[in-house]
Amino acid sequence: EAGVAQSPRYKIIEKRQSVAFWCNPISGHATLYWYQQILGQGPKLLIQFQNNGVVDDSQLPKDRFSAERLKGVDSTLKIQPAKLEDSAVYLCASLGGGLAGGTSQYFGPGTRLLVL
Amino acid sequence: RKEVEQDPGPFNVPEGATVAFNCTYSNSASQSFFWYRQDCRKEPKLLMSVYSSGNEDGRFTAQLNRASQYISLLIRDSKLSDSATYLCVVSNQGGKLIFGQGTELSVKP
Repeated sequence: EAGVAQSPRYKIIEKRQSVAFWCNPISGHATLYWYQQILGQGPKLLIQFQNNGVVDDSQLPKDRFSAERLKGVDSTLKIQPAKLEDSAVYLCASLGGGLAGGTSQYFGPGTRLLVL
Repeated sequence: RKEVEQDPGPFNVPEGATVAFNCTYSNSASQSFFWYRQDCRKEPKLLMSVYSSGNEDGRFTAQLNRASQYISLLIRDSKLSDSATYLCVVSNQGGKLIFGQGTELSVKP
């Protein structure tokens, strides 16, 4: 079974530029998550989708971050404009079934973003 | 106060040592509890779920005390390959995972 795919794996941009990340979850997984992991910290949830609807985006900085999952499969996360403090690893994860607690939440390899 | 707090670490132990990780959580309505392992520059992977009755998987034992809102992970006979960051994770009903900051373990020969 293919895992969660993410691209790009690495990205270096200058502050105030825009960047987009892509995630393809495990086939059939209805729930998709985007996390931000700053060096030395645990992952922090940015947004949770159930199919193509947003379940929780309470910690998404909506003035600069946006995410979509239009067809309920792939998802993109965008930052516009980027700030230095956005340097982090952006992890995508997916969960099969409904909104049950995540014993089977699988993470992708992440996108490492460096903002200069 | 952070929702999930862990020992700050890092833990540096010799091979064969027993090491214990502690974690507390603030939301008494939390429903599911886990330990994840994260290797350097890799994604987190589920190590084990944690139940009130306690559960064991080989050298790993996890415990949950709901009254104290406390979770633990014990690793016996530690191996070099156990070196990683261990993340305490709590989940609510909607499947949202809340991670602690992680505790780094380094097992030395």
